[in-house]
Amino acid sequence: DADVTQTPRNRITKTGKRIMLECSQTKGHDRMYWYRQDPGLGLRLIYYSFDVKDINKGEISDGYSVSRQAQAKFSLSLESAIPNQTALYFCATSDSRGSYEQYFGPGTRLTVT
Amino acid sequence: QKEVEQNSGPLSVPEGAIASLNCTYSDRGSQSFFWYRQYSGKSPELIMSIYSNGDKEDGRFTAQLNKASQYVSLLIRDSQPSDSATYLCAVITSGAGSYQLTFGKGTKLSVIP
Repeated sequence: DADVTQTPRNRITKTGKRIMLECSQTKGHDRMYWYRQDPGLGLRLIYYSFDVKDINKGEISDGYSVSRQAQAKFSLSLESAIPNQTALYFCATSDSRGSYEQYFGPGTRLTVT
Repeated sequence: QKEVEQNSGPLSVPEGAIASLNCTYSDRGSQSFFWYRQYSGKSPELIMSIYSNGDKEDGRFTAQLNKASQYVSLLIRDSQPSDSATYLCAVITSGAGSYQLTFGKGTKLSVIP
């Protein structure tokens, strides 16, 4: 089984809808991250969490919110989706006892129409 | 703003040749450097990490780091068509008491049979 899983893998939604992307991990890592990837813009950090009680904004947090329900679960919400949030979204994890290496989930392709 | 720069490519090399991928970074205090491979539509996969000046070899891959020149490279020996992918350079940058992974936009490598 995959160490980092994301659901859904693909989602098409309409402008103004609320949507939640979920990430779960079995790696035992304490740190989790959400990125989005757009053609030509690379990977950009949305939010990150170093433990269950710690949430931090990344480079592009506007329009997004997160919840760290447990050490193994980190969810990303789009409160009111807009077309420019169409992108590939990745969850990643790392271990604070390790060497900053991050491991990525398979991604969610989100389309907002 | 802390930046990681890569040539976007595409870099085309014949099968069996050495592919050389380059990356420069702006944060002189960076200590940890990573190379990820990303196939089209897939998630980034960690292939190399390097923390000290010099070379680090792992199979057909060699990472090279020169902190004085703020330069990190990846050499792929005996390139195979299966190496065709986008290679992302990532650097741990520090700020506001936290550490974040900053990605370059990637170099697309094409290995021609």
